[in-house]
Amino acid sequence: GESVGLHLPTLSVQEGDNSIINCAYSNSASDYFIWYKQESGKGPQFIIDIRSNMDKRQGQRVTVLLNKTVKHLSLQIAATQPGDSAVYFCAENSVNRDDKIIFGKGTRLHILP
Amino acid sequence: DAGVTQSPTHLIKTRGQQVTLRCSPKSGHDTVSWYQQALGQGPQFIFQYYEEEERQRGNFPDRFSGHQFPNYSSELNVNALLLGDSALYLCASSFGTLEAFFGQGTRLTVV
Repeated sequence: GESVGLHLPTLSVQEGDNSIINCAYSNSASDYFIWYKQESGKGPQFIIDIRSNMDKRQGQRVTVLLNKTVKHLSLQIAATQPGDSAVYFCAENSVNRDDKIIFGKGTRLHILP
Repeated sequence: DAGVTQSPTHLIKTRGQQVTLRCSPKSGHDTVSWYQQALGQGPQFIFQYYEEEERQRGNFPDRFSGHQFPNYSSELNVNALLLGDSALYLCASSFGTLEAFFGQGTRLTVV
């Protein structure tokens, strides 16, 4: 069935430390994964994506890792800043981008001063 | 570029009423998708419009309907509102294989 879920509902990280947010998916046919950031009162904002033919992709301060064997992906945020406080969703879509985006439930990231 | 714009931002309706939400896609985008996001949950796909037709639909009843206009803007209509329809309704637009952009959403409260 369709299912994209996250391991933890809330994650608290010290400012300056690295954050790791995990996600598990159940559909082995999924070939495209996206991480979104949603701040309070706003819509989801694209952070980074990865295709199933890759196992790692890096952006500015963010890295996504994909392990297809165990159907797991993670988002790593380097040097976490107060502005990183938000809910983070992993999501899946087809590589053609013409399919519906299936979201997980989200992880709320708290930055501790 | 204004990005994806949605109106209204907030709305309060009574059970049994009907509501229409509006979305203007990002400039150059031709595909519009609608999502329902209940409090504390991830967005759930309602349906997607492309070339003025519903291309895909999620697991939502027929009370939820939509429309896309020649200028690619879109409406989401919900009839016979239930308390459980209270949520943030998000519109996302895209073009071809490019990433989807989301609007700020419309917060619907049904009382």
